[in-house]
Amino acid sequence: NAGVTQTPKFQVLKTGQSMTLQCAQDMNHEYMSWYRQDPGMGLRLIHYSVGAGITDQGEVPNGYNVSRSTTEDFPLRLLSAAPSQTSVYFCASSYSGLAGMTGELFFGEGSRLTVL
Amino acid sequence: AQTVTQSQPEMSVQEAETVTLSCTYDTSENNYYLFWYKQPPSRQMILVIRQEAYKQQNATENRFSVNFQKAAKSFSLKISDSQLGDTAMYFCAFMTLGKLTFGQGTILTVHP
Repeated sequence: NAGVTQTPKFQVLKTGQSMTLQCAQDMNHEYMSWYRQDPGMGLRLIHYSVGAGITDQGEVPNGYNVSRSTTEDFPLRLLSAAPSQTSVYFCASSYSGLAGMTGELFFGEGSRLTVL
Repeated sequence: AQTVTQSQPEMSVQEAETVTLSCTYDTSENNYYLFWYKQPPSRQMILVIRQEAYKQQNATENRFSVNFQKAAKSFSLKISDSQLGDTAMYFCAFMTLGKLTFGQGTILTVHP
């Protein structure tokens, strides 16, 4: 039972480079989300999706792009990386109602991204 | 907007003793859920306990229990018989309208 799988676990980028963080879940969850974790700030919601074809912005969406073509996958794209995007990123999924998640969030193991 | 505040950046406790982590939140919603998540050094986020706002009874999970004061918007976590494996960052989280908002976290260290 894989749960939520994130790749890569570590990545170093140069300013201006682009990359995609991959996230896949095998629990048939409709709700998927991306958080970033920074010291002293907890986890902040970047983008989320309540189902295939539907995405919406969270608290800190600038500089990130998402899409949801399937129920299983929810990639996060950094179009032009900046040092301010150095962080640990978590993908998480849950069962969903019309407004969003309705139950426990299941997290991936996190991806540490460093932008030089 | 919902806010969650954890006023204790760091806490420490001796093994086998009891410790309480504080959390307050601000919302105008009446229906919501509250959670405590644990993040050990492995970075994995682990659900410790959850509380539905409509339930008056405080949730318990083995050594973990909460003190939920809805009127005061307070949701503290009590860890009894602390173990070395409880050493971790603990996050309080609030869920309503389909979104989860986290507090800043409290680093708990259990000393032998």
